[in-house]
Amino acid sequence: GQSLEQPSEVTAVEGAIVQINCTYQTSGFYGLSWYQQHDGGAPTFLSYNALDGLEETGRFSSFLSRSDSYGYLLLQELQMKDSASYFCAVSVSGNTPLVFGKGTRLSVIA
Amino acid sequence: DVKVTQSSRYLVKRTGEKVFLECVQDMDHENMFWYRQDPGLGLRLIYFSYDVKMKEKGDIPEGYSVSREKKERFSLILESASTNQTSMYLCASTGTANSPLHFGNGTRLTVT
Repeated sequence: GQSLEQPSEVTAVEGAIVQINCTYQTSGFYGLSWYQQHDGGAPTFLSYNALDGLEETGRFSSFLSRSDSYGYLLLQELQMKDSASYFCAVSVSGNTPLVFGKGTRLSVIA
Repeated sequence: DVKVTQSSRYLVKRTGEKVFLECVQDMDHENMFWYRQDPGLGLRLIYFSYDVKMKEKGDIPEGYSVSREKKERFSLILESASTNQTSMYLCASTGTANSPLHFGNGTRLTVT
């Protein structure tokens, strides 16, 4: 089977940095994606890593280590609006649907 | 911008009713998906389709069926709704298999 592990909840202070980890065990691997979902909203795509290393998009960065089957999402200069659920997802092959983790609920506090 | 539209935001149905959840996308995407989302369980794939009239079972297809008669529309059908199908249902589409998913706003279905 396929499994992705990520923490269920994380709390961080406004202005700080937070890292959300994701480890995966899947039958194949094409890439790791991250999605954000605010309460009552639709998940929206944040980032995709196919190769090892760090991808940066503004305050958000995503990292992948294929050898460790591990990735993380890094959020810097946290804002209250970053309070949301964050899902990691693995592309197992080129023509199969994404496999999602159960999500991490991030709460940003003042 | 890609728009994925789900016909209802909230739906209340009775046990045993046949329920149709409709999803339409406006970007000529080949691939469409139905997920259900429950607290603590994340997003679980029910069915997906990579082409018109094509359908594939996902991880939890039991109790559901789908229809894709036109490229832009993907319908989820609960043949006989049960209380354990009370959930948030999310439709998504993408142009190619490994492209980002575009989600609709979801339908919160309550079966009483």
